[in-house]
Amino acid sequence: SAVISQKPSRDICQRGTSLTIQCQVDSQVTMMFWYRQQPGQSLTLIATANQGSEATYESGFVIDKFPISRPNLTFSTLTVSNMSPEDSSIYLCSGSQGGDTDTQYFGPGTRLTVL
Amino acid sequence: QKEVEQDPGPLSVPEGAIVSLNCTYSNSAFQYFMWYRQYSRKGPELLMYTYSSGNKEDGRFTAQVDKSSKYISLFIRDSQPSDSATYLCAMSAGAYSSASKIIFGSGTRLSIRP
Repeated sequence: SAVISQKPSRDICQRGTSLTIQCQVDSQVTMMFWYRQQPGQSLTLIATANQGSEATYESGFVIDKFPISRPNLTFSTLTVSNMSPEDSSIYLCSGSQGGDTDTQYFGPGTRLTVL
Repeated sequence: QKEVEQDPGPLSVPEGAIVSLNCTYSNSAFQYFMWYRQYSRKGPELLMYTYSSGNKEDGRFTAQVDKSSKYISLFIRDSQPSDSATYLCAMSAGAYSSASKIIFGSGTRLSIRP
């Protein structure tokens, strides 16, 4: 298994600003992902963070709004840009070590409130 | 129609009861089925993982998959107050290295009354 930490754990931001969320894994993982979880909703995949190349975004999510970096196999960042109140949510990072099972391990999440 | 449907609850049962949590799905390509437990203000943690149909048991937890009915269940025996959490089902068509996305249910909030 992998232990995943995220910073910050929560933040309150003003409309129009940007926030960068950091995700650190205690061991190398093949794949890293970013999800959004709104209250009472399921997890929605934002993008797959690819090491050394551009992230792969899901439908409805774009790089200009959610730029992602993954400089190595244990670290990734997600930036929420030009925030609006609709971006208020929990943002979760996960990692997978690949193989036949490909189970994902999640970080504790970052609770974002945009005023 | 959502690919994965899960009753959001909340579900409240007395301590010691058997709990049954369920999900239905529409994509017949799903082969990998997972249950995650999420405590309040924490990230989801993997509880059970099954491949294809059948049952899998781990302590007080049993995961059941019926692919013919597109229906999966998680049973919790001798439920404890510490089992109080949101349970999310999740599934995918293949290992993610094959670029298969994991789809999550919306989660069922479970409360075990002492």
